[in-house]
Amino acid sequence: GAGVSQSPRYKVAKRGQDVALRCDPISGHVSLFWYQQALGQGPEFLTYFQNEAQLDKSGLPSDRFFAERPEGSVSTLKIQRTQQEDSAVYLCASSFFHEAEEQFFGPGTRLTVL
Amino acid sequence: AQKVTQAQTEISVVEKEDVTLDCVYETRDTTYYLFWYKQPPSGELVFLIRRNSFDEQNEISGRYSWNFQKSTSSFNFTITASQVVDSAVYFCALSEARGTTDSWGKLQFGAGTQVVVTP
Repeated sequence: GAGVSQSPRYKVAKRGQDVALRCDPISGHVSLFWYQQALGQGPEFLTYFQNEAQLDKSGLPSDRFFAERPEGSVSTLKIQRTQQEDSAVYLCASSFFHEAEEQFFGPGTRLTVL
Repeated sequence: AQKVTQAQTEISVVEKEDVTLDCVYETRDTTYYLFWYKQPPSGELVFLIRRNSFDEQNEISGRYSWNFQKSTSSFNFTITASQVVDSAVYFCALSEARGTTDSWGKLQFGAGTQVVVTP
């Protein structure tokens, strides 16, 4: 596709449910990033992939958060046993090669945990 | 500690006025990149500019201009003759060099400045 796409755009989960958020980066982009953006705040880094390798997961807030990119293209961010504090917009971005290049962002998935 | 500070939470202007957004950053590295992104109401962040720490030249792109001053650790952004379409949240971000290889650290965003342009 022409840009980064994310699905679903909106997700409502009951507390304790597991959710999976999908990101399709720009074709050919080596790097993929996940961010969490709380209301009224800037995006906060969660994790970074270079191809299928997860090079940095220092931003994942707990072991309930897990991300994968098994074939170096599509990525999934999984949140297990969701909590209310997980409610946020989850943004995916990709860049041609590394972190310090222009990152192209998707529209985000708004997660609401009830 | 916050690496990027955007002290202005919201700025309201009338169309055609100029507006300057402040960004102050903190780093011990000599090599880093600074960025500005725009987040319109639709939510998708749009890249505006990237500046290498070794390039202090100011830049102008249409109605947008950027003033990079290493002496004050600032990378300010000015919109000249603002338009209603400029209404958005604007984020400043920093990426620091990591290690001796071509490796960079994560993007660290400021809290953003909401710009409201009224007709």
